[in-house]
Amino acid sequence: GAVVSQHPSWVICKSGTSVKIECRSLDFQATTMFWYRQFPKQSLMLMATSNEGSKATYEQGVEKDKFLINHASLTLSTLTVTSAHPEDSSFYICSARDGGGAYEQYFGPGTRLTVT
Amino acid sequence: GNSVTQMEGPVTLSEEAFLTINCTYTATGYPSLFWYVQYPGEGLQLLLKATKADDKGSNKGFEATYRKETTSFHLEKGSVQVSDSAVYFCALTTGANSKLTFGKGITLSVRP
Repeated sequence: GAVVSQHPSWVICKSGTSVKIECRSLDFQATTMFWYRQFPKQSLMLMATSNEGSKATYEQGVEKDKFLINHASLTLSTLTVTSAHPEDSSFYICSARDGGGAYEQYFGPGTRLTVT
Repeated sequence: GNSVTQMEGPVTLSEEAFLTINCTYTATGYPSLFWYVQYPGEGLQLLLKATKADDKGSNKGFEATYRKETTSFHLEKGSVQVSDSAVYFCALTTGANSKLTFGKGITLSVRP
């Protein structure tokens, strides 16, 4: 149980285009989902917290107009990187917390974004 | 605020060696503590957890004990395997709606 999927697992896009990444909880309802960014050989940086049906809460320094987050249902959250640039290239990881469970988060396998 | 400090890495061990990875924390409130593992090119997997003082989390031969008096949650394994090579993150959270605070992570390499 407690499986989180991400799609796509990797994507290459051209500078100026937008990319959407999906995060799904497959066998539980996730009232809260989190989006992280990870640079090579570094820890995870929390970008935003999203609760189903409400606006995401962004961490300081994260551009909300660039990284659009939608949590439309209890099993799906999406991150859209708008007008992507090479500096947005990174590994993006989502996690989800089971609304009825303990405090642990279940992580997706990550999405490797490369902007050329 | 919350913070997690992990020992500096990387760590390289021979197969069957004993492993200790130190983790200490500061927290506002009563934290739950976690160890996550990340294999190359993958997301994070929960390795083990402890939610109150003196609890011992264990999984796949790894253990960590929640030490409130020393604010520590050190990860140990008696005999590491090559397949344990990965990045290990210590983390905490202090509430049902709280975000996870991660340590910097440490890379473990186990050679045959």
